[in-house]
Formats: sequence, C-alpha cells, structure tokens
Amino acid sequence: KAGVTQTPRYLIKTRGQQVTLSCSPISGHRSVSWYQQTPGQGLQFLFEYFSETQRNKGNFPGRFSGRQFSNSRSEMNVSTLELGDSALYLCASSGGTGGGNTIYFGEGSWLTVV
Amino acid sequence: KQEVTQIPAALSVPEGENLVLNCSFTDSAIYNLQWFRQDPGKGLTSLLLIQSSQREQTSGRLNASLDKSSGRSTLYIAASQPGDSATYLCAVRTGHTDKLIFGTGTRLQVFP
Repeated sequence: KAGVTQTPRYLIKTRGQQVTLSCSPISGHRSVSWYQQTPGQGLQFLFEYFSETQRNKGNFPGRFSGRQFSNSRSEMNVSTLELGDSALYLCASSGGTGGGNTIYFGEGSWLTVV
Repeated sequence: KQEVTQIPAALSVPEGENLVLNCSFTDSAIYNLQWFRQDPGKGLTSLLLIQSSQREQTSGRLNASLDKSSGRSTLYIAASQPGDSATYLCAVRTGHTDKLIFGTGTRLQVFP
C-alpha cells in the first residue's frame, strides 16, 4: 500500500511569494498533520486535520494555513514568504480518531526561500 | 508546557555494539510515545509506538521502554550495524489528537 505522498519534493521561492504544498495520506487514513523542520528549531507542529476539520493548531503566524479535502488529501499554504520559512515541511497521516495509532510521515517538501 | 529532550545528541560506535538512546519528557501525562528514525534529507520512519499503559515494545533488534512516572523512555538497539546510522527521534502525544512533540534527536553513526 502506498505511503504518505508529498508534492513537490523541492521548490525555490522568492520572498513575498506564496506556496502551496500537497499531501496525500495513506489510503484509508483520515487524520493528516503537518510539521516544519529546521536545523535551529527542530520539528514543530503546524496543524492537524481530521475529516476536513482543523482539530489542532501549532504556534505559527496566520501566514500558515491548511485545509483537508473530502478524500482526506491535504494542502498547506504559506503566504508572504520570509527567508525564515526555508525548511523541510513534513506531512503525516494516521488512521485513528484519537491519537492511539501509529503516525506515518511522508518524505517531505524542501522549501527554499531566496 | 511539555518539553522532550534526547541524550546523547550524537553517538559514534563500532559495528556490533549494543546501544541505548535516551528520551526524557517533563510532563508524565502522555498518551503515547513514538520512536522514529530519519535518514539525511528524508522523512521520518516510524520504529515503535508505546501506549501510556505499556512498559515496552519490541521490533527485531529494537526494544523501547517507557517509564511514565519518571518521564523517560529508552530505545535499545542490539548488535548495531552501519545501516542503523541515522538520526533517532522520540515524540510524545499529550492528548487525544495526532499532535506530536518531538525531542531534539540523537545522531547515530555506526562504523564498520
């Protein structure tokens, strides 16, 4: 069965632009969450969606947003990009409704802001 | 506020050694704890998940233990191999959601 798929894998954007990242969870998984990984801050939680509803949100500015579609696929958007947004963005999915299940991660999207 | 720490930050050992990686968390009210490995430039691979009611989990050469009362988990790797070289991360869930709080990671190098 296919794992968590993220697209694009690599992208370069200019300051001030916006970017949209896509995530397809493992088939049958309804929970999707997003994380940002940087050398300085490590892995930080962005948000979590379950059945198209945002269930949890991390401590990031409003420039970071996301959504989930009825097929459980998810997108995250970052507007007005800043240099500090350069990071590996990881998507994860799980099949459970309440945090008892194993979480599986995708390979990530590498974003470079210049 | 839950904080997760991993010691050591880096470890370099010869092939064949048995290893212990440590993970500490400040709030014992966790839902479960999950261990991951991350290869350079890659995503995270799940290794073991321990529910808060469990004491340990095993998978092949890996064994993870959990002591909630002391806020500690250990990942034991038996007979280490060069292919085990990676960064190992522990993460805790503190509620009925999929929000994970990650540790700082241990970068492991196993040399032949």
